[in-house]
Amino acid sequence: DAGITQSPRHKVTETGTPVTLRCHQTENHRYMYWYRQDPGHGLRLIHYSYGVKDTDKGEVSDGYSVSRSKTEDFLLTLESATSSQTSVYFCAISEWGGDGDEQYFGPGTRLTVT
Amino acid sequence: GQQLNQSPQSMFIQEGEDVSMNCTSSSIFNTWLWYKQEPGEGPVLLIALYKAGELTSNGRLTAQFGITRKDSFLNISASIPSDVGIYFCAGQTDSWGKFQFGAGTQVVVTP
Repeated sequence: DAGITQSPRHKVTETGTPVTLRCHQTENHRYMYWYRQDPGHGLRLIHYSYGVKDTDKGEVSDGYSVSRSKTEDFLLTLESATSSQTSVYFCAISEWGGDGDEQYFGPGTRLTVT
Repeated sequence: GQQLNQSPQSMFIQEGEDVSMNCTSSSIFNTWLWYKQEPGEGPVLLIALYKAGELTSNGRLTAQFGITRKDSFLNISASIPSDVGIYFCAGQTDSWGKFQFGAGTQVVVTP
């Protein structure tokens, strides 16, 4: 357990509304990630952060923004939700496992855009 | 897009059988991770591999880091019903770099 929580765990929203998902970690990890998981695609990286206020895009970043004002919180915002953003969203952290990186995931947020 | 090929996509096996799955890539990796995901939950890290040829076990699970550094294998021995889930591989090319994920192997175990 890497001390990762996500909120909300489930959300239904309408097309065009803004949505913010929160990832919170309690163990001072520097690296945090947001992924989306869809059938047939596996996990795809949306954005990641390598420190407070330091973020970068992943492979599917269009339509998403992120912010990290504190080490423990990494926020994912859908500025104007679309039905194609219906997905399960996972937050993850990287931790040095002694010989290399290990990545740990939160419980996920299931988002439905109607 | 996804650069890891994971196979098979699904497996239907009887309790007690062994399971094997693998991931291959065109890229050379320095880290391979294997995860299990159950419905409604996040992926859980099972095994981490860091050296070519490395063989690591976690209970009935054994994973290997391929010699070419472009592939990895996961074996589950003597499967039990609680082995049901989706197993993912993940590979990393650089330390502190991003991971790439396989699409997953769904394992169904029948009594």
